[in-house]
Amino acid sequence: AQSVTQLGSHVSVSEGALVLLRCNYSSSVPPYLFWYVQYPNQGLQLLLKYTTGATLVKGINGFEAEFKKSETSFHLTKPSAHMSDAAEYFCAVSYNQGGKLIFGQGTELSVKP
Amino acid sequence: EPEVTQTPSHQVTQMGQEVILRCVPISNHLYFYWYRQILGQKVEFLVSFYNNEISEKSEIFDDQFSVERPDGSNFTLKIRSTKLEDSAMYFCASSEAMGATEAFFGQGTRLTVV
Repeated sequence: AQSVTQLGSHVSVSEGALVLLRCNYSSSVPPYLFWYVQYPNQGLQLLLKYTTGATLVKGINGFEAEFKKSETSFHLTKPSAHMSDAAEYFCAVSYNQGGKLIFGQGTELSVKP
Repeated sequence: EPEVTQTPSHQVTQMGQEVILRCVPISNHLYFYWYRQILGQKVEFLVSFYNNEISEKSEIFDDQFSVERPDGSNFTLKIRSTKLEDSAMYFCASSEAMGATEAFFGQGTRLTVV
């Protein structure tokens, strides 16, 4: 079955430090890949997505992610964390079979002053 | 900026009661979805809806669930006889097209079955 794995349910970084949130998918067919962010008491907001073309994609709020087919990964990074980045981050994939998204379990990012 | 809106934000219901969760998708979107997130678990796909019919549903979406687009703007999820395990956050989403296009999510309805 197709699945998405996010390594680490909680990640804590200091303000100004590098943010790295890991995502791997299990499929021989490359999917469309997404990162969503959820702030407290809010819905899911798209950070960035990979469909085709350049494997390094840039999103909102300074985040970027790189699709690595050989590693079946789509890790999310940000060079310098800000306090406002504290939220839950979800990696998701779609196989264009009906548009449904398959989500990872989420990673809660904490940013320490 | 257009957004998906869901009502109510919180719903408490007794076991066995019917509930209807409401969503207003973005107006020019054609594809609609319901997802749920049980506390501490993954966001799970329930159903997708296009052209006034279900295009795909998960194994979670059994006969107790139904969806409807009653008036061309609202998109509803009905649970006929709620169970304790239906307690979750329910998210509505919509998109212009399937696959690569971004899905826009509502803020969710927290359903608590007591």
